Amino acid sequence: RKEVEQDPGPFNVPEGATVAFNCTYSNSASQSFFWYRQDCRKEPKLLMSVYSSGNEDGRFTAQLNRASQYISLLIRDSKLSDSATYLCVVIANTGGFKTIFGAGTRLFVKA
Amino acid sequence: NAGVTQTPKFRVLKTGQSMTLLCAQDMNHEYMYWYRQDPGMGLRLIHYSVGEGTTAKGEVPDGYNVSRLKKQNFLLGLESAAPSQTSVYFCASSADRVVGELFFGEGSRLTVL
Repeated sequence: RKEVEQDPGPFNVPEGATVAFNCTYSNSASQSFFWYRQDCRKEPKLLMSVYSSGNEDGRFTAQLNRASQYISLLIRDSKLSDSATYLCVVIANTGGFKTIFGAGTRLFVKA
Repeated sequence: NAGVTQTPKFRVLKTGQSMTLLCAQDMNHEYMYWYRQDPGMGLRLIHYSVGEGTTAKGEVPDGYNVSRLKKQNFLLGLESAAPSQTSVYFCASSADRVVGELFFGEGSRLTVL
């Protein structure tokens, strides 16, 4: 079982739609959680951190469920420019801090 | 601001050849990393550094060596390239190991024939 698992997609949605991604992690010692965005053939860039109380930034909302060991990303009112791969990132304390990347979920927003 | 700069952006090698990827950051970050990204897999950590003069193995260190002689530079070397090392390599830096944002370079696409 992968330490961080994401549905690879692709998710194909029309402009204006709401779309949600989940990411599950296996290490209960995980401490920090993030969503990164990666455009095609580009480098990953931080989209948002995920806090225990949840986090909202404009059209994007991230939530953490420690009991079920998953984080989620909700995108409202999707734009064409939201088309990208969304990477789930977890930092676990395994006797040393370890950053684990999910393989990513691809999103295509269509006009 | 330059941020994190990687060179070269593209390279084609023959099996057995050697090469060095250079990463430079201008943010005065202590932590620097080398990752590889392959289709269907998350970024995997090759080596990392927690400060000038230090290096440590990551998840997939075999076949690679690194050096951090200056705080702003982190070099990744392939002594004898193999086709399995065909990948996209990303350098990253961060101010903090746990909660800090990772800043990535634009990536280096390496093909080993």
